[in-house]
Amino acid sequence: QKEVEQDPGPLSVPEGAIVSLNCTYSNSAFQYFMWYRQYSRKGPELLMYTYSSGNKEDGRFTAQVDKSSKYISLFIRDSQPSDSATYLCAMKKGLTGGGNKLTFGTGTQLKVEL
Amino acid sequence: DTAVSQTPKYLVTQMGNDKSIKCEQNLGHDTMYWYKQDSKKFLKIMFSYNNKELIINETVPNRFSPKSPDKAHLNLHINSLELGDSAVYFCASKSDFSYEQYFGPGTRLTVT
Repeated sequence: QKEVEQDPGPLSVPEGAIVSLNCTYSNSAFQYFMWYRQYSRKGPELLMYTYSSGNKEDGRFTAQVDKSSKYISLFIRDSQPSDSATYLCAMKKGLTGGGNKLTFGTGTQLKVEL
Repeated sequence: DTAVSQTPKYLVTQMGNDKSIKCEQNLGHDTMYWYKQDSKKFLKIMFSYNNKELIINETVPNRFSPKSPDKAHLNLHINSLELGDSAVYFCASKSDFSYEQYFGPGTRLTVT
């Protein structure tokens, strides 16, 4: 069983929909949580970063972390066709040395249709 | 003014060959990484270097050998290539003062 589980999708939604993407993890040592967006044939780019439990909002994107349930979410409001990409959750235990290693979920492929 | 660049972008080679992938970052970052992304998009760290020193070395066959000639460069040499090595290899870099890793465009390796 992988340390970080993520539904691979694909997830297809109409333009303007609210999208919910989720990851679960098994290791309670994870403290830092990230969402990366990866367009086809490109490298991942950081979308959201949160530390410990709580919510963080940035424009149309909201990241949520529930450490007690070992569950993180990314919400996209008013989804656009340009949001079509693979979304990868990632997490790490610390900021230095081996703890700084990112562990990724398998990614959820999202398609936003006109 | 590409931040993290990789060469080559595509690499097709036969089983048993030896090949290298090069990575350069012009961001002045201290830490560089190699990741492997398989056909199911699973991205897994292979190696990490901080100021030319190896700090993360995952369970990777020793056919893979990273080399960091200086802080801005991290190369990956692969000996005796196998079919299972076919994947996209991403280089990334990060400043010691930031949490964000910047990824390169990837090198798509196909072993036939």
